[in-house]
Amino acid sequence: EAGVAQSPRYKIIEKRQSVAFWCNPISGHATLYWYQQILGQGPKLLIQFQNNGVVDDSQLPKDRFSAERLKGVDSTLKIQPAKLEDSAVYLCASSTRDRGSGANVLTFGAGSRLTVL
Amino acid sequence: GDSVTQMEGPVTLSEEAFLTINCTYTATGYPSLFWYVQYPGEGLQLLLKATKADDKGSNKGFEATYRKETTSFHLEKGSVQVSDSAVYFCALSPPASYGKLTFGQGTILTVHP
Repeated sequence: EAGVAQSPRYKIIEKRQSVAFWCNPISGHATLYWYQQILGQGPKLLIQFQNNGVVDDSQLPKDRFSAERLKGVDSTLKIQPAKLEDSAVYLCASSTRDRGSGANVLTFGAGSRLTVL
Repeated sequence: GDSVTQMEGPVTLSEEAFLTINCTYTATGYPSLFWYVQYPGEGLQLLLKATKADDKGSNKGFEATYRKETTSFHLEKGSVQVSDSAVYFCALSPPASYGKLTFGQGTILTVHP
């Protein structure tokens, strides 16, 4: 099966500019996640969707970050205006319930690396 | 809140050496536990998982056992290869969270020939 697709792979912008990242999950996966991975740290959840509804956005900086998942498929993450500390890799993942264990198993995309100058 | 603590890195080993990467967690209830691996230039990949106490996850010669009494999920491999050089992340997912993961900080492993 095709994996989780993300674009762009790399983006360089200046602070106060805006940027958008796109994610196409694995077909049939109802749950979609956006994680932020700062260099040298583990990924941190920004937002989680179940179909097109938000399950958890408690760690999303809502003054500058927004995300949507129209029609329960593709998703877009936007940052406006960007700050220097937003430099990170933005990972999209999708999941479905594993039949054997009953646990949701996440499949990650390759990520979008953002550099804010 | 939930948290995961991994042993400090980086870890440097010679080929065929024994590997242990320690992972402990704090969570309410009985979370599912995972190890993910990130090879150079690649995305995060699931390495193994365990969903209940005393379960052992295994894959590619790696093993980890879910220890509820010590809240641990240590990763082990009997004989590492150069190709195992990567960053390893321990993670937990609380029950009924639709798979939401909380990650540790990652451990860099370098294996020399």
